[in-house]
Amino acid sequence: QVQLQESGPGLVKPSQTLSLTCTVSGGSTSSGNFYWSWIRQPAGKGLEWIGRIYTSGSTNYNPSLNSRVTISLDTSKNQFSLKLRSVSAADTAVYYCAREFERFDPWGQGTLVTVSS
Amino acid sequence: QSALTQPRSVSGSPGQSVTISCTGSSIGIGGHNYVSWYQQHPGKAPKLRIYDVTERPSGVPNRFSGSKSGNTASLTISGLQAEDEGDYYCCSYGGSYNYVFGSGTEVTVL
Repeated sequence: QVQLQESGPGLVKPSQTLSLTCTVSGGSTSSGNFYWSWIRQPAGKGLEWIGRIYTSGSTNYNPSLNSRVTISLDTSKNQFSLKLRSVSAADTAVYYCAREFERFDPWGQGTLVTVSS
Repeated sequence: QSALTQPRSVSGSPGQSVTISCTGSSIGIGGHNYVSWYQQHPGKAPKLRIYDVTERPSGVPNRFSGSKSGNTASLTISGLQAEDEGDYYCCSYGGSYNYVFGSGTEVTVL
């Protein structure tokens, strides 16, 4: 079955760019009517949808993060990536990647990113 | 976009039923059937329990059921079991090509 795995630095300095990659196995990022999404969760808080990318490369972002977010797709590596610019402590969270088709399933295990100097 | 409104916590004894509400807007929950529910255990990724308001993925026990009335969706867990404890989040397509999650509900099995 399809599995997702997040990877990237666990510590990012304020004002810098957070970069994460999600590697998909057991399925292809270039086929099917699926979107590939990023979702985050600050410690002790709820889930927040960040954005998504379609197999064609078209993207949609949460309006509250739109000016700082870029999601890209590398079908040759079966990966998609997240870049969040100008981060602050408020961006400290567990970041999840997930496959989406009107619902999010499956999810990666999540990766903690801390923004601190 | 504001988070969907859920009760902070609900509880029930083993074998009882609990219902979690999720209130949104006429553009969100009230405007389509793209409502899903997720269960999250501490330190783990969320797992899909219900999608398209009422549909249950393969492998999810039939004690989980979903419904919707107007701008409010609901998740009912019947025959509550110890493993049903955890945090539950609703999610709705919010229009304008984005999604919004609920504020989360902690389910406790007494």
